[in-house]
Amino acid sequence: ETGVTQTPRHLVMGMTNKKSLKCEQHLGHNAMYWYKQSAKKPLELMFVYNFKEQTENNSVPSRFSPECPNSSHLFLHLHTLQPEDSALYLCASSQETSGSGRNIQYFGAGTRLSVL
Amino acid sequence: DAKTTQPPSMDCAEGRAANLPCNHSTISGNEYVYWYRQIHSQGPQYIIHGLKNNETNEMASLIITEDRKSSTLILPHATLRDTAVYYCIVRPYTGTASKLTFGTGTRLQVTL
Repeated sequence: ETGVTQTPRHLVMGMTNKKSLKCEQHLGHNAMYWYKQSAKKPLELMFVYNFKEQTENNSVPSRFSPECPNSSHLFLHLHTLQPEDSALYLCASSQETSGSGRNIQYFGAGTRLSVL
Repeated sequence: DAKTTQPPSMDCAEGRAANLPCNHSTISGNEYVYWYRQIHSQGPQYIIHGLKNNETNEMASLIITEDRKSSTLILPHATLRDTAVYYCIVRPYTGTASKLTFGTGTRLQVTL
């Protein structure tokens, strides 16, 4: 148990569906992240939120829409996905301190997404 | 970003020490070395990090060469549960929330 909970653990959706992935962290952290891990590829950073503000969008297509209503919750809204979007989607959180070189990110177990 | 180079795979007998190397020859003076691991189909797990001194915690030891161009992660007594992909990451110092850039890592297989 890392203190970062992702739901659902598995999701199957059609290309015309709309679904959302949820991430909740119980660690009191101020930064949250979405990563994508496709089969046999390294983790790719998608979005970074710092104090609820999006600070990085790593050229992610608009069919992925993040939402961070507060520092503890992060959503990834999905619509009109493609089969190549099938992957493991991972959420992480960290406590960022200005002037610190540290970054220990704690990851959830991920949501395994299959787009048919 | 400084890049890292790791062997794609390694084997280790259970109970023996696993020594995982990482080259980061372009590391800058204010960049940390982080190690994470990912057990199959789970999220990555933080192991240890360091700047220039050797570090040890309950999971592992990190040995960084004096010139900081390479490091070694040591699992002193590997078990079957240590079978995972191990990532060596150099993080650029920004002072704000910043990304960890994961490479392909080293797949460690611990065998009986």
